[in-house]
Amino acid sequence: SYELSQPPSVSVSPGQTASITCSGGKLGDKYASWYQQKAGQSPVSVIYQDTKRPSGIPERFSGSSSGNTATLTISGTQAMDEADYFCQSWDSGTVVFGGGTKLTVL
Amino acid sequence: QVQLVESGGGVVQPGRSLRLSCAASGFTFRNYAMHWVRQAPGRGLEWVALIWYDGGNKYYAESVKGRFTISRDNSKNTLYLQMNSLRAEDTAVYYCAKGGEWVYNMDVWGQGTTVTVTS
Repeated sequence: SYELSQPPSVSVSPGQTASITCSGGKLGDKYASWYQQKAGQSPVSVIYQDTKRPSGIPERFSGSSSGNTATLTISGTQAMDEADYFCQSWDSGTVVFGGGTKLTVL
Repeated sequence: QVQLVESGGGVVQPGRSLRLSCAASGFTFRNYAMHWVRQAPGRGLEWVALIWYDGGNKYYAESVKGRFTISRDNSKNTLYLQMNSLRAEDTAVYYCAKGGEWVYNMDVWGQGTTVTVTS
């Protein structure tokens, strides 16, 4: 089955840039989405189709994709960005999520 | 505003059934694909099922195939998930989510409903 791999945790200092990667064998051919989930809340879409940002999502959130790796970048990270982040893609009609990355803003 | 409200969760014994509902408002429901996604306690997100805007195509995760059925009533702006032969490992918060302009992106999520399968 298709799998997406994310680092379990990433730490960043306030104001610095955080990068979270997502690796999967078919990401070179498939779009990726990213979701932010804060503690006790529902997920929120922050990036879709690799690079698009939904309305209402701050410009500091950006996405990119190269080869079989998609990357979520948060520039000028703020304390409010501390959350779990999940990448997601699809294959043959089914959807797959990465295991999630806990972003800690130290 | 766009809103999704799940209901129907609860505590159920293994082997029993449960039907979840998701009431949609604030958008033209019949124009969008819809998903169910679940999250076991302390775990990550697991996609469960997808239904096309007109109900014509349905897709399932291997873990629920043959046991769960996704459906929708576009006249009632409501999404459903019929869950049969429930197992302890189905215990999770179940979210409904709206497919976006790209159907595989989930651009709006509900607040979730909790399903606990226990004897």
